[in-house]
Amino acid sequence: DTAVSQTPKYLVTQMGNDKSIKCEQNLGHDTMYWYKQDSKKFLKIMFSYNNKELIINETVPNRFSPKSPDKAHLNLHINSLELGDSAVYFCASSHGQGRGGYTFGSGTRLTVV
Amino acid sequence: GENVEQHPSTLSVQEGDSAVIKCTYSDSASNYFPWYKQELGKRPQLIIDIRSNVGEKKDQRIAVTLNKTAKHFSLHITETQPEDSAVYFCAAAQGAQKLVFGQGTRLTINP
Repeated sequence: DTAVSQTPKYLVTQMGNDKSIKCEQNLGHDTMYWYKQDSKKFLKIMFSYNNKELIINETVPNRFSPKSPDKAHLNLHINSLELGDSAVYFCASSHGQGRGGYTFGSGTRLTVV
Repeated sequence: GENVEQHPSTLSVQEGDSAVIKCTYSDSASNYFPWYKQELGKRPQLIIDIRSNVGEKKDQRIAVTLNKTAKHFSLHITETQPEDSAVYFCAAAQGAQKLVFGQGTRLTINP
């Protein structure tokens, strides 16, 4: 009965590979996000979608491409993985427009070797 | 854009004492200020939030205060317990979209 679920939980891959992380929410929220948490625990927004429309696209290498097939799903595809991409990636969702805080997924720990 | 500064980065208190974490923000248009608790290896979880039309909000042992003029807000935890040990994040946003987080405070409660 998880509210925001991400898969996989752990991902170990070699440099240069392409990988995807999937996120789904069953809260009926209309906005979804991807955040990156680095080794110093800093949480930085990457992307945000509202009803399948991209509304926030921070300064992120274009090797990262989000896709939202519907408002309950937001996936993240990463091409040509680099060592510096190693981090924990959190998906989150919210009603947006000031109607409540974020609910985070459990995170995906990506390790690039 | 919004910038949120959080202090201290680490805080150690004796069990039963109070803990205070402070944040400042830069964008006067921000009107939503949540606090998240992240235990080791877990997801950040919302513990309390405050909106700009309110100066203080309390929920049992946790309280948040907001000073809009000075653009700072604080988290107060009273009667701390070992299970309060975690990393705490403040955040600010206009309308709860695009939360900008502080750098986090690692709180340790010593028995």
